[in-house]
Amino acid sequence: DAKTTQPNSMESNEEEPVHLPCNHSTISGTDYIHWYRQLPSQGPEYVIHGLTSNVNNRMASLAIAEDRKSSTLILHRATLRDAAVYYCILRDSGAGSYQLTFGKGTKLSVIP
Amino acid sequence: EAGVAQSPRYKIIEKRQSVAFWCNPISGHATLYWYQQILGQGPKLLIQFQNNGVVDDSQLPKDRFSAERLKGVDSTLKIQPAKLEDSAVYLCASSFNFATFSMQETQYFGPGTRLLVL
Repeated sequence: DAKTTQPNSMESNEEEPVHLPCNHSTISGTDYIHWYRQLPSQGPEYVIHGLTSNVNNRMASLAIAEDRKSSTLILHRATLRDAAVYYCILRDSGAGSYQLTFGKGTKLSVIP
Repeated sequence: EAGVAQSPRYKIIEKRQSVAFWCNPISGHATLYWYQQILGQGPKLLIQFQNNGVVDDSQLPKDRFSAERLKGVDSTLKIQPAKLEDSAVYLCASSFNFATFSMQETQYFGPGTRLLVL
């Protein structure tokens, strides 16, 4: 199974941009890169996903390296509400069930 | 649009007792998932349903865990008998259609049930 590597924790000041890195050196050509986040005492929520091109939505931007071996989730202006655990996930098609396999993620702290 | 509903939100039981969790997915969502999240770890998939059929239950401890989705809507996850190591948050998620756009499908999670086994 293709796996991802993320830093355990990161800090950001409020209203500054945040770049959350993810390494996935064994990614296959058909794996989509998904990001979910989990706020305290809540279930995970979808943030963004992409395959090859950079993606933008109202929550964040996803920058994917040309060789697809790494990606970066960009929060353009961190707020206190963005304090959460962020999971970078490769959509696993090998088992035929297209599961989400979560790692430990990156815990983002936002400093007022 | 209503989200994924789960109940109860909290449950405390003693080891060897039984417990059941209920999930109501988003209306129209064919695929339903149960995850177990132990403190400090990411969620781990226990079982995946497509309508009322099981797609994947390879990580479900079948000697003590069971799940059903009889009419393809609500689902129940049961633990009998519970062990101390079952203390965790049990998350239910749903997605619209597993088959067609699987690798792009967004999963929507409920708030979870926090279980403490004493």
